Amino acid sequence: ETGVTQTPRHLVMGMTNKKSLKCEQHLGHNAMYWYKQSAKKPLELMFVYNFKEQTENNSVPSRFSPECPNSSHLFLHLHTLQPEDSALYLCASSHARPDSFGEQYFGPGTRLTVT
Amino acid sequence: LAKTTQPISMDSYEGQEVNITCSHNNIATNDYITWYQQFPSQGPRFIIQGYKTKVTNEVASLFIPADRKSSTLSLPRVSLSDTAVYYCLVAMDSNYQLIWGAGTKLIIKP
Repeated sequence: ETGVTQTPRHLVMGMTNKKSLKCEQHLGHNAMYWYKQSAKKPLELMFVYNFKEQTENNSVPSRFSPECPNSSHLFLHLHTLQPEDSALYLCASSHARPDSFGEQYFGPGTRLTVT
Repeated sequence: LAKTTQPISMDSYEGQEVNITCSHNNIATNDYITWYQQFPSQGPRFIIQGYKTKVTNEVASLFIPADRKSSTLSLPRVSLSDTAVYYCLVAMDSNYQLIWGAGTKLIIKP
């Protein structure tokens, strides 16, 4: 148990659906992250939030929309996804920059399948 | 362009010491190096973090030479349960970039 929870753990959705992934951290951190991990590929950083402010968007398509209502919660809203978006989506948290932001704590991930 | 490079895979045997090296030629003065372990269908788990010389905790050691262009994660007396993918990460202090390695798949054999 890392102190970071993600729901749902598994999600199957059609290309026309709208769904949301949820992440919650109980570590008192002020930075949260979304990563995408496809089969046999390294971690891809998608979004970064520091103190609820989005500080990074790594050229992620607009069909992925993040939301950070407070420092403990992070959402990823999904709509009109493509089959190639099928992957493990990981949430992580850390102390806010510049303090130890390389020491990240990950949730178990949401396994997303787009049909 | 900052980059971290690790071997794609390694094999070893139970009871052996395993060393996994990551190269990060463009590391800057205040950048930290962190290592993670990941099992299938789980998120990466923090193992150890260091800045220079040697850091040791209850599960691993991290060796960083003076030039800091590489780092070595050392796992003492591995067991079958250490079979996993290991990632190195350089957190860049200058621009807050996170430079992840592609991961090293470590397979421990009986």
